[in-house]
Amino acid sequence: KAGVTQTPRYLIKTRGQQVTLSCSPISGHRSVSWYQQTPGQGLQFLFEYFSETQRNKGNFPGRFSGRQFSNSRSEMNVSTLELGDSALYLCASAGQRDLGYTFGSGTRLTVV
Amino acid sequence: GENVEQHPSTLSVQEGDSAVIKCTYSDSASNYFPWYKQELGKRPQLIIDIRSNVGEKKDQRIAVTLNKTAKHFSLHITETQPEDSAVYFCAAYGGATNKLIFGTGTLLAVQP
Repeated sequence: KAGVTQTPRYLIKTRGQQVTLSCSPISGHRSVSWYQQTPGQGLQFLFEYFSETQRNKGNFPGRFSGRQFSNSRSEMNVSTLELGDSALYLCASAGQRDLGYTFGSGTRLTVV
Repeated sequence: GENVEQHPSTLSVQEGDSAVIKCTYSDSASNYFPWYKQELGKRPQLIIDIRSNVGEKKDQRIAVTLNKTAKHFSLHITETQPEDSAVYFCAAYGGATNKLIFGTGTLLAVQP
């Protein structure tokens, strides 16, 4: 079956702009989590969605937001981009009975 | 809040030797502990996991042990090979929080 698909793979944005990233989970998976990966901070939890509801949120400013659609696809949005937002953004999906998260290939965001 | 500490941050071994990576978690309600391998430029991939009702699990050359009392879990790789070189992340899933929290990663280098 198809894996977790993230689009786009690469993005270059200017400070102050906003960006939207997309994640399509494995078919049948209803849980989607988002992580920010940077060399110095590892994998930082952003938020988790399940059945269109945000179940958890990490310690990120309100500029980071997300949503999940009825088909379980998820988007995350970052407004008023800062240089420090440059990172690899990973999403992961999990099934209802399976806690094993499967990651997508990520979106590499560069803010200039 | 929840926290996962991982040691060492870097580990260099000779081919054929064993490697051990250790993690400590803070949330006593955590009930699932996966390990991920991330090769350079690739997505994290689940290599082994253990649930809180099991003390040890083995899959060929890799094994994971869990000490719930001490809130420690470890990854053991035997007969290491150059292709084992990667960054390894431990994680803990909190039963009450539905968050998968990652350690900061261990860069394993296997010298041929």
